[in-house]
Amino acid sequence: GQQLNQSPQSMFIQEGEDVSMNCTSSSIFNTWLWYKQDPGEGPVLLIALYKAGELTSNGRLTAQFGITRKDSFLNISASIPSDVGIYFCAGLVHGGSQGNLIFGKGTKLSVKP
Amino acid sequence: EAGVTQFPSHSVIEKGQTVTLRCDPISGHDNLYWYRRVMGKEIKFLLHFVKESKQDESGMPNNRFLAERTGGTYSTLKVQPAELEDSGVYFCASSLEDRGYTDTQYFGPGTRLTVL
Repeated sequence: GQQLNQSPQSMFIQEGEDVSMNCTSSSIFNTWLWYKQDPGEGPVLLIALYKAGELTSNGRLTAQFGITRKDSFLNISASIPSDVGIYFCAGLVHGGSQGNLIFGKGTKLSVKP
Repeated sequence: EAGVTQFPSHSVIEKGQTVTLRCDPISGHDNLYWYRRVMGKEIKFLLHFVKESKQDESGMPNNRFLAERTGGTYSTLKVQPAELEDSGVYFCASSLEDRGYTDTQYFGPGTRLTVL
């Protein structure tokens, strides 16, 4: 089945640092989504991308839909403590079910000790 | 407006027992989805309801899992009999319209199921 390879699996951040994570796949996607999950909560949508090459920002977050439609990245600028959590990429595969989101395994952001 | 709610938040059962999870979608949302995250793995799609009809159940693992949405409002997901590998977090999501790529799925907090 379709698979999303999300990296890194985890990372430590220091306040003020920029953070970058990405997802790649061998399949073509029509939609790329980035979610954040806080402890005890469900994933919350951060950014949605619908067109190849699209670059979208939401505050300090910026995400891009790769030109090949097989990858996407999320950048967080000037990180703050409340950025910690698990970030998931997700997408809708071209030609697949329109409700069936494919998720990456997540990137866990923690505060650098 | 209330978000997606799920009950219970946690469930611990023994292998062979039955468990029923409940999801209440956002009011007015016709689309309801079930997902599952097994520890260390990605969140995986289970099935999709449009109102009371199953639109896509391609992700259901096996016939021990039964999902219902009578009346097109809340949904239940029953696991009978539960096995150890069923442990994980079960998420429910809902969306307003089935417009595919333009439709946002709102997730509930999940039910953490532990099968001993």
